[in-house]
Amino acid sequence: TQLLEQSPQFLSIQEGENLTVYCNSSSVFSSLQWYRQEPGEGPVLLVTVVTGGEVKKLKRLTFQFGDARKDSSLHITAAQPGDTGLYLCAALSNSGYALNFGKGTSLLVTP
Amino acid sequence: GAGVSQSPRYKVTKRGQDVALRCDPISGHVSLYWYRQALGQGPEFLTYFNYEAQQDKSGLPNDRFSAERPEGSISTLTIQRTEQRDSAMYRCASSLASGGYYNEQFFGPGTRLTVL
Repeated sequence: TQLLEQSPQFLSIQEGENLTVYCNSSSVFSSLQWYRQEPGEGPVLLVTVVTGGEVKKLKRLTFQFGDARKDSSLHITAAQPGDTGLYLCAALSNSGYALNFGKGTSLLVTP
Repeated sequence: GAGVSQSPRYKVTKRGQDVALRCDPISGHVSLYWYRQALGQGPEFLTYFNYEAQQDKSGLPNDRFSAERPEGSISTLTIQRTEQRDSAMYRCASSLASGGYYNEQFFGPGTRLTVL
């Protein structure tokens, strides 16, 4: 099983601040996905990164895949209370269909 | 429906009882997955179906857990002789196909199982 380490585990910030969360592994991944999970709901896919060094932007969210495809980061600019949730990174297992998830970063953005 | 639905949303049972958790995937989705999620952590893979065929059950914790998808649509996850350690959120996901970098899994709201 590929181990995905996410940091920090918890993050509490004020509205308008910037933040970065990380997803690291000793394994090389063919792709990596980021999900956001709001309280009481299931995870929702935000982005898939495939190419080493790839940067994808989704409004105020910027996702980067490490050059060696072993790590990824998610940067949020000017966080808003609506960004509150559990941010999960996931990679396809060797089976090619099951997802292995990290433990997530729980983000709280207060007004 | 518009998304993956699961029922019941909450299930409280006594130790030793059997429970059946239902998943109704997005119409037309070929692949169906069951995951278990502990509070504040990421989902953990349990089993996978391609149409009606259970192609991977390597994540099922023990033989008290079983799953079926007899007609390639609705799936049931059954836990026999429940134990307190089975308490968790059980999530179902479906996808249009299986595999591939951009194959998106859509998750249901989950069933919160509590074993007393």
